[in-house]
Amino acid sequence: EPEVTQTPSHQVTQMGQEVILRCVPISNHLYFYWYRQILGQKVEFLVSFYNNEISEKSEIFDDQFSVERPDGSNFTLKIRSTKLEDSAMYFCASLRLSGRVTYEQYFGPGTRLTVT
Amino acid sequence: AQTVTQSQPEMSVQEAETVTLSCTYDTSESNYYLFWYKQPPSRQMILVIRQEAYKQQNATENRFSVNFQKAAKSFSLKISDSQLGDTAMYFCAFMDTSGGGADGLTFGKGTHLIIQP
Repeated sequence: EPEVTQTPSHQVTQMGQEVILRCVPISNHLYFYWYRQILGQKVEFLVSFYNNEISEKSEIFDDQFSVERPDGSNFTLKIRSTKLEDSAMYFCASLRLSGRVTYEQYFGPGTRLTVT
Repeated sequence: AQTVTQSQPEMSVQEAETVTLSCTYDTSESNYYLFWYKQPPSRQMILVIRQEAYKQQNATENRFSVNFQKAAKSFSLKISDSQLGDTAMYFCAFMDTSGGGADGLTFGKGTHLIIQP
């Protein structure tokens, strides 16, 4: 069964550094998402992406964040200058939205980002 | 903006018992879906069950079923014959579908379910 993959599984970075989190959504899916989950808290929506542009973004998704689909398979989240409070699990998800539409978002296993 | 409320931070039941997790939501939208996701210690997000708001019939998936009360904006999850592997965090989630797939999921704070042997 197709699945969303994310790399790396764990990233440790120093405050102020740039990080890029990578995701490979399911190939025939059209919408892509990033979510964040700070340890012990709920999952929060960051951004949705469709047809090579941002569809929606939350208040969390400020200027230090950016997303890109650099090729036909990868979907990336860049954090320009990491802060301690960016430490969290970051989930990528994708949605098919064609055929029999169920609005089920398929989640990747997550990337644990630790900012020191 | 939508809100999702899960009022039970933690629940514990014996194996084989039935347990119900509660969820309420607030929205002014008419087109939406509701979901329950399971998050085991691995932190992978696993879809348990979904409900289309326009469907009156409650969704069921094997041992999992929902009680969807649209007027009350309530969406509870019932787990029958609970198993040790059901131990996990359970998140209720809402998706406004009026914009297609543009909107992300809005999650509740979760309920930590512990199944005791």
